[in-house]
Amino acid sequence: QSALTQPRSVSGSPGQSVTISCTGTSSDVGAYNYVSWYQHHPGKAPKLMIYDVRKRPSGVPDRFSGSRSGNTASLTISGLQAEDEADYYCCSYAGTYTVIFGGGTRLTVL
Amino acid sequence: EVQLVESGGGLVQPGGSLRLSCAASGFTFSSDWMSWVRQAPGKGLEWVATINQDGSQKYYVDSVKGRFTISRDNTKNSLYLQVNSLRAEDTAVYYCASTFSGRFFDYWGQGTLVTVSS
Repeated sequence: QSALTQPRSVSGSPGQSVTISCTGTSSDVGAYNYVSWYQHHPGKAPKLMIYDVRKRPSGVPDRFSGSRSGNTASLTISGLQAEDEADYYCCSYAGTYTVIFGGGTRLTVL
Repeated sequence: EVQLVESGGGLVQPGGSLRLSCAASGFTFSSDWMSWVRQAPGKGLEWVATINQDGSQKYYVDSVKGRFTISRDNTKNSLYLQVNSLRAEDTAVYYCASTFSGRFFDYWGQGTLVTVSS
């Protein structure tokens, strides 16, 4: 299976909103309500930000939101802050307890 | 506080083997699915393997089937990954992660680096 497709980079100024897309197929993103998003600061442990398409774990700010339309999921970060600068990865369940990640998106806060 | 601490990485020659370990604390280890995820240098995250609570179900990405084996010891709160027949393309940071019902990764460790090179 090929990795889910994400833009290599996005950027925004503090206070603005950015959206990161994640495109898969009808066998993964479009087939299950099991898309998750991870924030990864290089050298640190990745952190779960969104699960089951749009649910936020306890402690994740409500500035982070998830959605899906067809085979494309999206992560929106509103009210950008400097500490949001990181790599973001989407991930989809692909059946039989397998998952597939996106290639990752580098978010730069200008 | 949930803690996952990986160990066992290092430099190994092509064709060699290593056993990666992950020590878990701060949650009921025996109740959770667990996984290994890796990140090659300059690349994105890649799911490697997942195991269910009692170790009776194991799932692998195609590229490691027959070479890697995931296992766990619930009496020691530990997860393992035996990696054999290593190739240069297996060079990566390997992360241990608790896994909710096999579909997302709720807690991650800091990773252990495996370098395959002659």
